Amino acid sequence: AQRVTQPEKLLSVFKGAPVELKCNYSYSGSPELFWYVQYSRQRLQLLLRHISRESIKGFTADLNKGETSFHLKKPFAQEEDSAMYYCALSGTGGSEKLVFGKGTKLTVNP
Amino acid sequence: NAGVMQNPRHLVRRRGQEARLRCSPMKGHSHVYWYRQLPEEGLKFMVYLQKENIIDESGMPKERFSAEFPKEGPSILRIQQVVRGDSAAYFCASSPSLTGETQYFGPGTRLLVL
Repeated sequence: AQRVTQPEKLLSVFKGAPVELKCNYSYSGSPELFWYVQYSRQRLQLLLRHISRESIKGFTADLNKGETSFHLKKPFAQEEDSAMYYCALSGTGGSEKLVFGKGTKLTVNP
Repeated sequence: NAGVMQNPRHLVRRRGQEARLRCSPMKGHSHVYWYRQLPEEGLKFMVYLQKENIIDESGMPKERFSAEFPKEGPSILRIQQVVRGDSAAYFCASSPSLTGETQYFGPGTRLLVL
């Protein structure tokens, strides 16, 4: 079964501290992994996807197939990073529907 | 590009009424996805459509729910005889093609069933 687990519902850090949002997945095959972010009063938007290997707004995520994880990291959190973060996966080929985790609400305190 | 548009943004219905949710994809996008988000939950896939075709409806409830994406006009998600459990945020996303393109999301429609 396809499943995405984000174990932390809430995560609070201080500005300048490192942050890691955890994501584990279950999928038989080779999925594509994504992180989406939703800032307050804004729509859901793509933050990054594993195939692009980009760093967006200082965030990175590495796909670990052995641990079936795709944790999102940033070395120095900023207050503007406060948002809801959703990890998602899709299959390769087919309808490419997204399977989402329940999300982690990140709060970066001043 | 105005992005994916959804209307209405908020919809209140009484039990037994019908709800119609509209989604206009981004210009040049021919693929539309509908997702539902219940309180405290992540988004759950409902249906994937291309123009005039339903490609994957594996996430759609078997009764009362239907979706279409006509040749002209927006995609419509229709919920007949709404019940309180239908109260949720419904999100539409669009993408330009099947081959691994990013899905772009609309702002969502918040449905409240009284």
